[in-house]
Amino acid sequence: GQNIDQPTEMTATEGAIVQINCTYQTSGFNGLFWYQQHAGEAPTFLSYNVLDGLEEKGRFSSFLSRSKGYSYLLLKELQMKDSASYLCAVKKRGSTLGRLYFGRGTQLTVWP
Amino acid sequence: DADVTQTPRNRITKTGKRIMLECSQTKGHDRMYWYRQDPGLGLRLIYYSFDVKDINKGEISDGYSVSRQAQAKFSLSLESAIPNQTALYFCATSDFRAAQGDYGYTFGSGTRLTVV
Repeated sequence: GQNIDQPTEMTATEGAIVQINCTYQTSGFNGLFWYQQHAGEAPTFLSYNVLDGLEEKGRFSSFLSRSKGYSYLLLKELQMKDSASYLCAVKKRGSTLGRLYFGRGTQLTVWP
Repeated sequence: DADVTQTPRNRITKTGKRIMLECSQTKGHDRMYWYRQDPGLGLRLIYYSFDVKDINKGEISDGYSVSRQAQAKFSLSLESAIPNQTALYFCATSDFRAAQGDYGYTFGSGTRLTVV
């Protein structure tokens, strides 16, 4: 496997900030994705990082450190609709170009 | 119409029955994937295909088979369904550009399969 680890569950309150971490161990790293998935629905794309640093998109930001095998997704000004599972996925070079390897997901619950 | 369409959306079947889940796409993507999702286990890859003549096993292919009938169609079959194949199944697509840049997957809406 690709040893992609993320916390199973997190909780936060509306209006707060939450950081969801993802660590990975893989050869041929070629990019990291974050997806959001509401219960019973398909995952939807949130962000992509291939170089070190922070990518910001509105209330959501994603950070990558390739040397540490570490990424995080930062959600600001939390809203009830942000309650969902957040999936970290790694892309590799080599014969499986384009295939994504997924972590088990972090279930975020936002309380009022 | 959705870019990636899965049928059926929901299915209940009996143990031992053969069942086929279908996926079709209008994205023009060459790569197609079948995943299953179980609570707490994330998305696990069953089979994938990088073009019509290419079929590859994923992490959990036992008990499943696939057919890539055309670039736009990729079907998943359970030859003899068993209860532990009860899960949410997703089809996904990507294209040759997936190796570069932020081109990830386009997912279908999923098929909820229950084997009783």
